[in-house]
Amino acid sequence: SQTIHQWPATLVQPVGSPLSLECTVEGTSNPNLYWYRQAAGRGLQLLFYSVGIGQISSEVPQNLSASRPQDRQFILSSKKLLLSDSGFYLCAWRRWTGTGNTIYFGEGSWLTVV
Amino acid sequence: GESVGLHLPTLSVQEGDNSIINCAYSNSASDYFIWYKQESGKGPQFIIDIRSNMDKRQGQRVTVLLNKTVKHLSLQIAATQPGDSAVYFCAENTGNQFYFGTGTSLTVIP
Repeated sequence: SQTIHQWPATLVQPVGSPLSLECTVEGTSNPNLYWYRQAAGRGLQLLFYSVGIGQISSEVPQNLSASRPQDRQFILSSKKLLLSDSGFYLCAWRRWTGTGNTIYFGEGSWLTVV
Repeated sequence: GESVGLHLPTLSVQEGDNSIINCAYSNSASDYFIWYKQESGKGPQFIIDIRSNMDKRQGQRVTVLLNKTVKHLSLQIAATQPGDSAVYFCAENTGNQFYFGTGTSLTVIP
């Protein structure tokens, strides 16, 4: 079956520390992958998307970066976290629903920068 | 980026009544639209989708209506249940990118 996983589920990091969130998908190959951020009480902001290994598109300039070292692995990183990086981070992948290619989300990672 | 908005940030309905959640989009080139449900602390869940060449699609207790003339999308939930309480997002798709509205929080009153 096709599934998506991301970890860790929650983390508390001090300002200035590095970050690594990992996302993997199973049961498919060459998926389009996405990283979104959701601040408390806000909508979903697209951060990065990737159509293949090593191919990353960035939506907004920020303190974050993304990498896709393997076909089904997508990593979100930061060298030095800011307080404003706190939020709910969601990995997603694109799948055919029968009507269109929509995106399905992972369980999310709660990041609190202190 | 794209602009996708919702008319109301919160909606309260009585259990058993029908709910209607509205969404406006700005990009006439968008050809695919999706509704998601997000429960507290979880990732958004796909509910139903519709292509721009359709006006209406029905699922189980949900109906999505698309009015391309006024760039308006709505989600109708029939016989709303307590388990329907959540934040609902609409999203529009253009190419590889999906853009989301800010969400409507639906509260079902028992």
